[in-house]
Amino acid sequence: GNSVTQMEGPVTLSEEAFLTINCTYTATGYPSLFWYVQYPGEGLQLLLKATKADDKGSNKGFEATYRKETTSFHLEKGSVQVSDSAVYFCALRSHTGGFKTIFGAGTRLFVKA
Amino acid sequence: KAGVTQTPRYLIKTRGQQVTLSCSPISGHRSVSWYQQTPGQGLQFLFEYFSETQRNKGNFPGRFSGRQFSNSRSEMNVSTLELGDSALYLCASSLGTGEDNQPQHFGDGTRLSIL
Repeated sequence: GNSVTQMEGPVTLSEEAFLTINCTYTATGYPSLFWYVQYPGEGLQLLLKATKADDKGSNKGFEATYRKETTSFHLEKGSVQVSDSAVYFCALRSHTGGFKTIFGAGTRLFVKA
Repeated sequence: KAGVTQTPRYLIKTRGQQVTLSCSPISGHRSVSWYQQTPGQGLQFLFEYFSETQRNKGNFPGRFSGRQFSNSRSEMNVSTLELGDSALYLCASSLGTGEDNQPQHFGDGTRLSIL
């Protein structure tokens, strides 16, 4: 079945550091890929998406590129801020998976001032 | 445009009771999905409704059920509550068609605590 694997956290960075959160997936067909962010006490917010190979999703300084050859969708940001502290979820959605969204386990990010 | 609204935000129940959670999707969205989020198991898919019909179901016992109304609002019911049902229950909505490209939009969840 479809699955998503992302790096375990927590990840602790200093402000203005470079961020990478790794995400790889297993899926039949051509899934759409997403990154969601969850702030304390809130639900998940869509951060960015990519719907086909080589697409780059971007939002609020975050970027991720859909790499079909490596089945990866790594999240990157050039300079993190304290306000980026949250839990980040990689996810996929595919008609072969019955349109269920499959989530990774989540990666908690702490950014220190 | 109003987002996904879940009520109530917090709920405390005791073992053996039942509970009903409510979700109002974004206007125009016809698909509503429910997830259970716990520290140990992460996000687990419960079920999805589209046009008042259950379209997908996760691996949860029959104590967990749901329904969707003609206005796309959805309710989730859990009967005979157990301590392990303590979790954040998240509702997500999407258009329901052209699903490969459509992200789900989440509410802030209902935090259910079982005493």
